[in-house]
Amino acid sequence: EAGVVQSPRYKIIEKKQPVAFWCNPISGHNTLYWYLQNLGQGPELLIRYENEEAVDDSQLPKDRFSAERLKGVDSTLKIQPAELGDSAVYLCASSSGLRGINEQFFGPGTRLTVL
Amino acid sequence: QKEVEQDPGPLSVPEGAIVSLNCTYSNSAFQYFMWYRQYSRKGPELLMYTYSSGNKEDGRFTAQVDKSSKYISLFIRDSQPSDSATYLCAMIGRETSGSRLTFGEGTQLTVNP
Repeated sequence: EAGVVQSPRYKIIEKKQPVAFWCNPISGHNTLYWYLQNLGQGPELLIRYENEEAVDDSQLPKDRFSAERLKGVDSTLKIQPAELGDSAVYLCASSSGLRGINEQFFGPGTRLTVL
Repeated sequence: QKEVEQDPGPLSVPEGAIVSLNCTYSNSAFQYFMWYRQYSRKGPELLMYTYSSGNKEDGRFTAQVDKSSKYISLFIRDSQPSDSATYLCAMIGRETSGSRLTFGEGTQLTVNP
């Protein structure tokens, strides 16, 4: 079974430029998450989708960040304009949405460097 | 104050040593306690989890939860170089699907051959 796929794996941009990250979750997983992981820190949730609906976006900086999950499968996370402090790893995860442990499966992440 | 505190290390041990990793937390609503392992340049992967207080063993790994002290531990016996990774504790506040995971900052472990 294929895991969570993310692209690109690495991205280097100059500040004030836009950037987009793409995620393809595990087939059949209705719940999709975007996390931000700063160096030496644990992941922090940015947004959670149940199918097409964003059900938890309270941690998403909406002035510059946006996300979408069309058709309830793939998702895109965008930053416009990027700032130096946005340099981090952006992780996508998915889960089947069942009760109980609801294990989240993570992709390898996109490492963003803003110069 | 962070909801979950974890000693970031780094921790370096010889092969075969017993490793103890720990987290403390402040939110009494946490019910599921997990340990994720993250290799360099990879995403976290679930290692094991415990519901409420108690112990759980899986091979060389043992997870312990003490809700009265708000303290969780992961023990690794007979540590191997392949165990070298960052270990993240994580917690969920409720049982229903889609709960937000709250992570510790991770402990970087190196097991030297």
